[in-house]
Amino acid sequence: AQSVTQLDSQVPVFEEAPVELRCNYSSSVSVYLFWYVQYPNQGLQLLLKYLSGSTLVESINGFEAEFNKSQTSFHLRKPSVHISDTAEYFCAVSPHHSQQNTGFQKLVFGTGTRLLVSP
Amino acid sequence: KAGVTQTPRYLIKTRGQQVTLSCSPISGHRSVSWYQQTPGQGLQFLFEYFSETQRNKGNFPGRFSGRQFSNSRSEMNVSTLELGDSALYLCASSLKAGTRSTDTQYFGPGTRLTVL
Repeated sequence: AQSVTQLDSQVPVFEEAPVELRCNYSSSVSVYLFWYVQYPNQGLQLLLKYLSGSTLVESINGFEAEFNKSQTSFHLRKPSVHISDTAEYFCAVSPHHSQQNTGFQKLVFGTGTRLLVSP
Repeated sequence: KAGVTQTPRYLIKTRGQQVTLSCSPISGHRSVSWYQQTPGQGLQFLFEYFSETQRNKGNFPGRFSGRQFSNSRSEMNVSTLELGDSALYLCASSLKAGTRSTDTQYFGPGTRLTVL
């Protein structure tokens, strides 16, 4: 079984400041890692994902996350945030395909971190 | 390419009623998963369908059921509604399942169900 911990329920930050949203996971098998963003009254949008290869992954809007296997972490960072980044961010894991039953695509989510960017 | 669509977007029901929610996946996607999002429990997996078959089910009572049609569209049904069923129900689709790589799940906007 997998579990995801997002210790910070809310992170307030000023515009143009850097931010880090923390994510730690627990799993007895290899996993894939995801960050999703949810704007008010909307569904989830994929921000970035780690499947394999380089441990540093980037999104098109300036976010990046680094997979750290030894620390079982996948923290999300952005060097300079905008007001429009205000949203809730969810870290999620799914078991590696070698561990999946056929057709099993379950995502396990953290409780979310609300990023509040103020002027 | 159109994204995942869910209908209706908002729904108000009373206790004891039943409800059916609909999800149309991205064209070509064959796997559909459902999640429930509440302030108290967060995002929880309900079930996943692939090729009209339920592949896995989360820890929800039998009042929650679903199905998938041959065109990959999916519906979920909740019978005998309870106040605690008030939530945002999210549907996600992915390209294929049971392959040698994982598939990214793309989410719809959700259906917000309020049970009075």
